Amino acid sequence: KNQVEQSPQSLIILEGKNCTLQCNYTVSPFSNLRWYKQDTGRGPVSLTIMTFSENTKSNGRYTATLDADTKQSSLHITASQLSDSASYICVAYYGGSQGNLIFGKGTKLSVKP
Amino acid sequence: ETGVTQTPRHLVMGMTNKKSLKCEQHLGHNAMYWYKQSAKKPLELMFVYNFKEQTENNSVPSRFSPECPNSSHLFLHLHTLQPEDSALYLCASSQDGLAGIRTDTQYFGPGTRLTVL
Repeated sequence: KNQVEQSPQSLIILEGKNCTLQCNYTVSPFSNLRWYKQDTGRGPVSLTIMTFSENTKSNGRYTATLDADTKQSSLHITASQLSDSASYICVAYYGGSQGNLIFGKGTKLSVKP
Repeated sequence: ETGVTQTPRHLVMGMTNKKSLKCEQHLGHNAMYWYKQSAKKPLELMFVYNFKEQTENNSVPSRFSPECPNSSHLFLHLHTLQPEDSALYLCASSQDGLAGIRTDTQYFGPGTRLTVL
């Protein structure tokens, strides 16, 4: 069964601290994996995309990793800011000619001053 | 802003009403999508349009009826909805529908928060 699981479900950290969000995926055949950030009241915005051959991708203070063997990905946020408060969604893309995608439930991150 | 707009932003309707959600993208993209986002559930892909043609319908009930008159506009017509249809409805677009949704980066609108009484 194709699925994406994220942990933790929610996380509270202090401003300036680092944190790591986890994503385990089970899809076949795997195409690529993306992390999206969704601010409250807004649609998701793409942060990173990684294919099978990539194991690290950075976007500013966001660094995503991918382990295709264990089918795990993580999103590391460095020196968190209040504006990082959002839901972070992991999305696995898979399939043949047209492909398909499956979303995780997301991790809700709250950054406190 | 992402270049994808949705109206209205909030909608309250009764189960016997008929309403429509509108999405417009200003990015020159060829593919458009409707998603449903319910509380504590993952986003669910509802419909995919590629060059104005519907290419995917993920077993969505017929009380949801999409319409894509051109590659910039997408509508979702609603009728006889149920309370469990209350959710955030998100529209998205991507550049090249020919490549499929495997590789395209999707740009999302802000969503329409729908409440069915």
